[in-house]
Amino acid sequence: DAGITQSPRHKVTETGTPVTLRCHQTENHRYMYWYRQDPGHGLRLIHYSYGVKDTDKGEVSDGYSVSRSKTEDFLLTLESATSSQTSVYFCAARGSGSNSNQPQHFGDGTRLSIL
Amino acid sequence: AQSVAQPEDQVNVAEGNPLTVKCTYSVSGNPYLFWYVQYPNRGLQFLLKYITGDNLVKGSYGFEAEFNKSQTSFHLKKPSALVSDSALYFCAVSVTGGGNKLTFGTGTQLKVEL
Repeated sequence: DAGITQSPRHKVTETGTPVTLRCHQTENHRYMYWYRQDPGHGLRLIHYSYGVKDTDKGEVSDGYSVSRSKTEDFLLTLESATSSQTSVYFCAARGSGSNSNQPQHFGDGTRLSIL
Repeated sequence: AQSVAQPEDQVNVAEGNPLTVKCTYSVSGNPYLFWYVQYPNRGLQFLLKYITGDNLVKGSYGFEAEFNKSQTSFHLKKPSALVSDSALYFCAVSVTGGGNKLTFGTGTQLKVEL
């Protein structure tokens, strides 16, 4: 959807290991977002970016970091994965402009399991 | 802080009957309201949005939603449900100047049966 690709789509790893998830978009969107989806919580914002090298925290940012060195790529890193970070992670992007009324478009998610 | 409530975890409806998925919200300021649908193992797909103007908003696949400011609600509706409408539906809200940071409800599973 809207040219957003997430990789990997599935990953299993062990507690304490670093993990990086990648989001790639082809539409030159300025704004990009990382969410996690958990049963009973809907989607919660982890971090977002409003331009190259411009990022900010969301409501559940502890234990996560992000980087955006190019417009098309937004990386999410778990420096030392914990079992509580087992989740489905979604990347989203939206078109340019500061208005908050444009819809976000989502990738198909990464299912991350931390054992 | 902004919040969204979807009071029903699951809604069951017979094919051909009208459907309603409920959403209420709480924000400071004027809300921007969105509905998304999620099919298994897929990302969220945008259905419709309310920004301003007409309280009845029409979207994709025959869905519509009615904005009610006094009741702070934005219920999703469809006149005649299809089995293929079975999916997980999310309501979301943002506000002006909020960087389009969406706050999502917990989702409502819609099941349409023959």
